[in-house]
Amino acid sequence: DAGITQSPRHKVTETGTPVTLRCHQTENHRYMYWYRQDPGHGLRLIHYSYGVKDTDKGEVSDGYSVSRSKTEDFLLTLESATSSQTSVYFCAIRRTSGNTDTQYFGPGTRLTVL
Amino acid sequence: TQLLEQSPQFLSIQEGENLTVYCNSSSVFSSLQWYRQEPGEGPVLLVTVVTGGEVKKLKRLTFQFGDARKDSSLHITAAQPGDTGLYLCAGKSNNNDMRFGAGTRLTVKP
Repeated sequence: DAGITQSPRHKVTETGTPVTLRCHQTENHRYMYWYRQDPGHGLRLIHYSYGVKDTDKGEVSDGYSVSRSKTEDFLLTLESATSSQTSVYFCAIRRTSGNTDTQYFGPGTRLTVL
Repeated sequence: TQLLEQSPQFLSIQEGENLTVYCNSSSVFSSLQWYRQEPGEGPVLLVTVVTGGEVKKLKRLTFQFGDARKDSSLHITAAQPGDTGLYLCAGKSNNNDMRFGAGTRLTVKP
């Protein structure tokens, strides 16, 4: 258990509305990640953060923005949700042991855009 | 196109059978990880392999990293219903990018 929580766990929204998903960690990890998981595609990286106010784009960043004003919170925002953003969203932290990095995942947020 | 191809996509077997699932790529990875994911939950790390040819065992699960560090396999001996889940492989490149395969969904019937 890496002390990661995500909120909300489920959300249904309409096309064109803004949506913010929250990831909270309790272990003070520097790196945090947002992924989306879709059938046939596995987990794809949206954005990641390597510190407070330090973020970078991932593989599928279009239509998403992120913010990290505190170490413990990493927010993912869909400015104007579209049906193609219906997905399950996972937050992860990175823990380093020796020369091995491991990502630990939160429980996920299921988002449906109608 | 997936950077990491996992096969088979779906596998349904009876309790007690053995199985092998595969994770293949044309890219070389500095390390490769296997995760297991249950419905409604996030992936949970099973193992990390870092050396070409490395074999790791976790009870009835055997993980192998290919000699060229481009592929990996997961073998389960005497599968049990509790092994049911989505098995994901993830490869880490030298630039620290981590890419996931689409997964193998395993169902073990009692």
